[in-house]
Amino acid sequence: DSGVTQTPKHLITATGQRVTLRCSPRSGDLSVYWYQQSLDQGLQFLIQYYNGEERAKGNILERFSAQQFPDLHSELNLSSLELGDSALYFCASSATGGAGEKLFFGSGTQLSVL
Amino acid sequence: GESVGLHLPTLSVQEGDNSIINCAYSNSASDYFIWYKQESGKGPQFIIDIRSNMDKRQGQRVTVLLNKTVKHLSLQIAATQPGDSAVYFCAENIRTGFQKLVFGTGTRLLVSP
Repeated sequence: DSGVTQTPKHLITATGQRVTLRCSPRSGDLSVYWYQQSLDQGLQFLIQYYNGEERAKGNILERFSAQQFPDLHSELNLSSLELGDSALYFCASSATGGAGEKLFFGSGTQLSVL
Repeated sequence: GESVGLHLPTLSVQEGDNSIINCAYSNSASDYFIWYKQESGKGPQFIIDIRSNMDKRQGQRVTVLLNKTVKHLSLQIAATQPGDSAVYFCAENIRTGFQKLVFGTGTRLLVSP
């Protein structure tokens, strides 16, 4: 068990809808990362937060947004969903988000857009 | 959730064999590299890491080799066991001052008893 908790484990929704994925980092970790894993793209970095503030942005679509709350949990919001958004979404955490830190991953949320 | 369905290169070995999984990374300025293991239904799990000032690092049954000249990373697993069956990803830290790990496409390791 990595100590990173993601909910829900599975999510099935329809095109055009909006969903929220939730992540609780490991105890003591201040930085949270979101990754998308799809069949044809592998693990793609989406966004990183540190202590409530956005720190780095990757291949995140404008339809997607995220935030990190004062209690350090994070949410990834996906809106106007398309079929191609179906993927595994992983959250990871690290102590401070600095370069060279190990990332600990949650078990992921499997999103299916029908 | 699992990586089944990804069009991944696959390495098939017999139990007890040594396995070598290779990875080519993209950025010559990357200063930190990690190998992750992803089992079916789980998130990536840290195996071993290496910094760019080293060319070899050993863990328990695993060794990572780094060749910066050709931007190549390898993971060696000694005495491979069926429980080692998983998808293995290398990741490089793009030197931005912050942590930004970029993952390779992964290799599926299948271990036959």
